[in-house]
Amino acid sequence: DSGVTQTPKHLITATGQRVTLRCSPRSGDLSVYWYQQSLDQGLQFLIQYYNGEERAKGNILERFSAQQFPDLHSELNLSSLELGDSALYFCASSPRGAGGPLNEQFFGPGTRLTVL
Amino acid sequence: AQSVSQHNHHVILSEAASLELGCNYSYGGTVNLFWYVQYPGQHLQLLLKYFSGDPLVKGIKGFEAEFIKSKFSFNLRKPSVQWSDTAEYFCAVNGVTGTASKLTFGTGTRLQVTL
Repeated sequence: DSGVTQTPKHLITATGQRVTLRCSPRSGDLSVYWYQQSLDQGLQFLIQYYNGEERAKGNILERFSAQQFPDLHSELNLSSLELGDSALYFCASSPRGAGGPLNEQFFGPGTRLTVL
Repeated sequence: AQSVSQHNHHVILSEAASLELGCNYSYGGTVNLFWYVQYPGQHLQLLLKYFSGDPLVKGIKGFEAEFIKSKFSFNLRKPSVQWSDTAEYFCAVNGVTGTASKLTFGTGTRLQVTL
């Protein structure tokens, strides 16, 4: 158990819908990361937040957005869902925002999203 | 931009065989390197990591990796695999930018260990 929690574990929805995935980082970690794992794209970095502010952006679609709240939990919002958005969405957390030994990322169990 | 290549997509080994999985990265600056393992239906778990110092890194479950800077490589090794090592293995690089951090993953290697 990494200490990172994600809810829900599974989510099944229809095309065109909007969903929200939630992540609670490890106690004391200030940085949260979102990754998408799909069969065709592999594991891809989406976005990083550090202490409430966006720090880095990857291949995140405009239909997707995220935020980190004052209590440091984060939400990933996916809208106008398409079949191709079906994937496993991982959240990770780390103590700080930059690289280095103090910034190892710990992964949550993921949310499996199925778009029908 | 940083990138990672894992050349072996699917490896099948018998128990007790030795394992070496290749990983090459591309990044012009300081890097942190990682190997993660994902057992079927589970989340990513860190096997080992390299930040600096001794290029031979030992991780959990008997795995080790060697950072060869001149070859931009970070290959994963295990002298004798077990059936329980059946999983997918991901190499990842974290380019150190100072204020931000992201992991770039390779495409993964599926390891199947037969009895």
